[in-house]
Amino acid sequence: GAVVSQHPSRVICKSGTSVKIECRSLDFQATTMFWYRQFPKQSLMLMATSNEGSKATYEQGVEKDKFLINHASLTLSTLTVTSAHPEDSSFYICSARGPGQGTTEAFFGQGTRLTVV
Amino acid sequence: AQTVTQSQPEMSVQEAETVTLSCTYDTSESDYYLFWYKQPPSRQMILVIRQEAYKQQNATENRFSVNFQKAAKSFSLKISDSQLGDAAMYFCATSRTGTYKYIFGTGTRLKVLA
Repeated sequence: GAVVSQHPSRVICKSGTSVKIECRSLDFQATTMFWYRQFPKQSLMLMATSNEGSKATYEQGVEKDKFLINHASLTLSTLTVTSAHPEDSSFYICSARGPGQGTTEAFFGQGTRLTVV
Repeated sequence: AQTVTQSQPEMSVQEAETVTLSCTYDTSESDYYLFWYKQPPSRQMILVIRQEAYKQQNATENRFSVNFQKAAKSFSLKISDSQLGDAAMYFCATSRTGTYKYIFGTGTRLKVLA
């Protein structure tokens, strides 16, 4: 079945640097992917919708210049956290619309834990 | 706008017993799905069960079933014969049909006692 993979699973970066997180659909093409953020012991909050070949759509309150999303192919979306600060430390999860016309759900990656020191 | 409320931050159940997790939601959409996801310590989101809002029949998946009350906007999850492996965070979510964008509740941590 549909598999979504994120890389890396964990990353530590220094404050002020940028870090890129990859989300891949391994066995299907995903024209639409989604990025969520999950703070410790909290829910998943949708950050943006990533559309292949076009600009991402950001949710209200999410800084598009801070969280750069690129969906350059049908199997890969990337989230770049620019000029990261400790408050950006969080768990980031991507999902992709499942394959096929009759799909009813999205499939989630295993998440990336970002720590900014 | 869509909102999902889970009023139980934590629940405990004895192994082999039954537990019900509560979820209420609010949506202006006419076509939508409801989901329960399990998030174990690995943080991988695992689909437990889904319900199409237009279907009156409650969804079931083995030991997992839902009580979907559309008028009351309630979508509770019943876990029967609880197992130690059921221990996890459980998130209730809704999505407008065709969007695949999920609005999640705040989660319920389920502990299973041996």
